[in-house]
Amino acid sequence: DIVMTQSPLSLPVTPGEPASISCRSSQSLLHSNGNNYLDWYLQKPGQSPQLLISLSSNRASGVPDRFSGSGSGTDFTLKISRVEAEDVGVYYCMQTLHVPLTFGGGTKVEIK
Amino acid sequence: EVQLVESGGGLVQPGGSLRLSCAASGFTFSRFDMHWVRQPTGKGLEWVSAIGISGDPYYAGSVKGRFTISRENAKNSLYLQMNSLRAGDTAVYYCARGRSDGWDLEDWGQGTLVTVSS
Repeated sequence: DIVMTQSPLSLPVTPGEPASISCRSSQSLLHSNGNNYLDWYLQKPGQSPQLLISLSSNRASGVPDRFSGSGSGTDFTLKISRVEAEDVGVYYCMQTLHVPLTFGGGTKVEIK
Repeated sequence: EVQLVESGGGLVQPGGSLRLSCAASGFTFSRFDMHWVRQPTGKGLEWVSAIGISGDPYYAGSVKGRFTISRENAKNSLYLQMNSLRAGDTAVYYCARGRSDGWDLEDWGQGTLVTVSS
């Protein structure tokens, strides 16, 4: 199984400041078609997860443009250009290249 | 508006069985892959199973041979039959819809809690 490793585990942030989360996979997520099969999800407190980013860098419908995803192969990053209070929650990366699909352990983002 | 509503969770003894259902609406159910993802209380997400539009099933190793995923397109419903349940299966189980051209989990239900305990 592909192991997904996120860092940091916890990220205190100041509203208006940028934030960055790292995700590494134990195998390359780059397909021969040129796509990286890496998603980012946000689970806000008390809610179900929601898709933020698919294929490493494609924002899902309705996701603010302050969220961006980048990376290729085994190293990926989610960036929030200016954190807002509504961005608190746990962020998960997930690979969709191989079954079983696997999630990272999560990064908890909280306001300082 | 896409809606996914899970049901069937509850308390079951170790070794017992439970069948989860997910009622889908707001999209053409038969055209999308569907998934189950679970989350133990206070812990992270774990992908459990998926079923393709042709009915092909996929499973995580931890549930293979014990869980069976199925779909009934005429009823816009997804199911997860869970047998030989263990304490480690205790979690909130989410139903999720795959994206039209991928396995990204585009929409999620609110989840149903399964508790395996004597």
